Parts: sequence; structure tokens; C-alpha cells
Amino acid sequence: KNEVEQSPQNLTAQEGEFITINCSYSVGISALHWLQQHPGGGIVSLFMLSSGKKKHGRLIATINIQEKHSSLHITASHPRDSAVYICAVSNRASGSRLTFGEGTQLTVNP
Amino acid sequence: NAGVTQTPKFQVLKTGQSMTLQCAQDMNHEYMSWYRQDPGMGLRLIHYSVGAGITDQGEVPNGYNVSRSTTEDFPLRLLSAAPSQTSVYFCASSYYRGPVQETQYFGPGTRLLVL
Repeated sequence: KNEVEQSPQNLTAQEGEFITINCSYSVGISALHWLQQHPGGGIVSLFMLSSGKKKHGRLIATINIQEKHSSLHITASHPRDSAVYICAVSNRASGSRLTFGEGTQLTVNP
Repeated sequence: NAGVTQTPKFQVLKTGQSMTLQCAQDMNHEYMSWYRQDPGMGLRLIHYSVGAGITDQGEVPNGYNVSRSTTEDFPLRLLSAAPSQTSVYFCASSYYRGPVQETQYFGPGTRLLVL
């Protein structure tokens, strides 16, 4: 079983819909990261959080440390949000290493 | 700032050939790392460094070599390329604050095809 599990693996939405991507982890962590990767493109860090909630524009990330679960929400989705979203965690036992989920492929249709 | 740069963007190798993937950053980050990304496997850590002269192995280090002679550069060497090393390689860097991972900045990636 992977230490970091994401769901769903694939998600198709209509423009304007509210989107949620989930991430569960099975190890103790010091931080959780959400990354975005556009087709054929590089990887961009969206959020790093260790507790609570962060918001950036239409993106919201939350984490529940007790339940070992995080969610990434996209409000008023747009076709330009189409990308792979990757959850990753780091923990004190492994120093600065990141452990990644397999990613969620999001497609937003106009 | 150029951020994290990688060269080449694309490379084709024959089995047994060696090559070096270049990575450089101009943000004075202590931490640098190399990942490979394969379909169905996600990103996996190959090697990492927490400062000049200090490197360590990640999850999949076999067949790869690294060195860190300066803060800016972190080259990845393929000693004898194999088809299993066909992948997309990403370099990343961040500030290092001990066990807590800081936000990582990724390079644009290098697509490697080994025939």
C-alpha cells in the first residue's frame, strides 16, 4: 500500500463546477504539499501546509492531521485548471525527502 | 532569477552510453534533488543534497551518480544507460530548514529515451 493515496485518479468536470481532490497518507508528517503539472509541462508548488487551511485565488487546501487527510478544492473551475494535481508529504524520519501520490488527472471542459 | 534550469530538454541514448543531466539554480537554495517520473509510478526521488559536498541516496539511486561541488549546480550522471531509465527527470531545489521540507521549485524537466 502506498504511503500517499490520492482520489480520484481521473476527474472530468464542466466549467464552473466545484472540484475536490483528496489525499490520504499513512505516515506521520511534518508538511503536506500540493503540486500542479500541466500537460507536457513542469511542476509548480501550489501549497505547503502542516495544519488548517490555505487559500490562493480559487484554490483552497485543507488538512486534518488527526485523520491523516487533505483536500484540494477548486472553486468555479476553468479549462485552464486542467492538469495533474499531485499530493506529497514529508516527515521528520526522512528529513527533507518528499513522498508523492500518483496524481489526479483533472480535465475541465468548457 | 532564472529559477531552476535543466539541460538538455530531450535526449536519446543508446543502451550502454553515459551522459550527464545538468541542473542549476540561482536562488541560493541549500537543498537540491533529482526525481524521475514514470506513468503509474508517480515521482520518485533518485538522489538529493542538503548542501555543497553533501549528497545522499533517494528511493531509486541505482544506475545514477551525483556530486555537489557548488551550491548552484547538481548534475545527475547516468553511468551506463539502460532502457529502464527511459523517463522524465526533474530537478528541484528549496531552502533547507532541517527535517521540515520547504516549498520546492522544480525545473522544466528532461525527457530521456534509452534505446
